[in-house]
Amino acid sequence: KQEVTQIPAALSVPEGENLVLNCSFTDSAIYNLQWFRQDPGKGLTSLLLIQSSQREQTSGRLNASLDKSSGRSTLYIAASQPGDSATYLCAVRDFGNEKLTFGTGTRLTIIP
Amino acid sequence: DGGITQSPKYLFRKEGQNVTLSCEQNLNHDAMYWYRQDPGQGLRLIYYSQIVNDFQKGDIAEGYSVSREKKESFPLTVTSAQKNPTAFYLCASSEDRGFYGYTFGSGTRLTVV
Repeated sequence: KQEVTQIPAALSVPEGENLVLNCSFTDSAIYNLQWFRQDPGKGLTSLLLIQSSQREQTSGRLNASLDKSSGRSTLYIAASQPGDSATYLCAVRDFGNEKLTFGTGTRLTIIP
Repeated sequence: DGGITQSPKYLFRKEGQNVTLSCEQNLNHDAMYWYRQDPGQGLRLIYYSQIVNDFQKGDIAEGYSVSREKKESFPLTVTSAQKNPTAFYLCASSEDRGFYGYTFGSGTRLTVV
């Protein structure tokens, strides 16, 4: 059974810093991995999708990497801004199973 | 703009009452999903549907029911058999079985009063 872990559960950093959020998963036979952002009381906004054959994806200040062999993905945020404050979730889709398995998220606070 | 619309945003349920959460998508996606989110837990799958008139149970289907009569609609009914229904409910859809990722709605917060 796939398990997804995100550590730390919460992170506070000063504005302007670069930061890395971590996601680990137990079963490396994944189809793809997706990073989402969730603001309080809101739905999920997709940030980046990485297919199992890819090593990384970039969108603006965001870069997500994938290392299937070690069961890890990272989300790199460059030059953080207060508007980046939110909870970040990673979700894994396994082969042969349409279900997404979610981590519990990292609550990020950017301090002005 | 294409997307997923969930309604209502807030819903209150009395003990012993059934309530229905609406989910509509105009993305022309074949598959639709219902997830439940509780504080401190990851999202958990309730039901999903890959095509019209067909759906499968997820990890926590007890006390819930769904229908898929139209491609764009996937309503979720929370029945009185669901003993702890207070949660945030999220609807999602995907194209090509998730190859292009998943799109989520804005959620419905259900509270038992």
